[in-house]
Amino acid sequence: LAKTTQPISMDSYEGQEVNITCSHNNIATNDYITWYQQFPSQGPRFIIQGYKTKVTNEVASLFIPADRKSSTLSLPRVSLSDTAVYYCLVGYYGQNFVFGPGTRLSVLP
Amino acid sequence: EAGVAQSPRYKIIEKRQSVAFWCNPISGHATLYWYQQILGQGPKLLIQFQNNGVVDDSQLPKDRFSAERLKGVDSTLKIQPAKLEDSAVYLCASSSGRGPGNTIYFGEGSWLTVV
Repeated sequence: LAKTTQPISMDSYEGQEVNITCSHNNIATNDYITWYQQFPSQGPRFIIQGYKTKVTNEVASLFIPADRKSSTLSLPRVSLSDTAVYYCLVGYYGQNFVFGPGTRLSVLP
Repeated sequence: EAGVAQSPRYKIIEKRQSVAFWCNPISGHATLYWYQQILGQGPKLLIQFQNNGVVDDSQLPKDRFSAERLKGVDSTLKIQPAKLEDSAVYLCASSSGRGPGNTIYFGEGSWLTVV
């Protein structure tokens, strides 16, 4: 199972774009990259998933370079409600995800 | 579509007592997971089921934890006897197991405090 590395914490201000980068140097050919968001007292919530290039949904964008050894989650115009822990995970269907400590994002007014 | 349901939401017990948590996964999801999340850490897998068979239980403390998934749907996680260090959130999750990507859907969790 690929291991990921991401910053422990980040601070931002409301209205700014936030980019969280994750390293996964030993990602396997079949692995997808998935990001989760977790608020206090709740289970992790799926945000976005991708295999290569760029994926965008109503919540975020995911940028994956050609070598797939890293990925960047982009949150446009964050608000206070985006304060949460964000997890970067890699794996393919049927696998268990190995969670690290994630990135604790604090959005300030 | 209904999400992953868990109960109870909160439980406080004394050490050496027993506790059981129940999970109902998303309809049609063959894979079910139980994770333990200690405050300030990421979730850690305890056990993974594929239908009603165990895929991975390597991190399940089998001297005190047990889990079953009868009929390949609902699942129960039991702790007996509980220790102080079992205080954590127990997250149930499920996935369809059909690729190509892997999307796991989590419940809200069952909070356990052992005193």
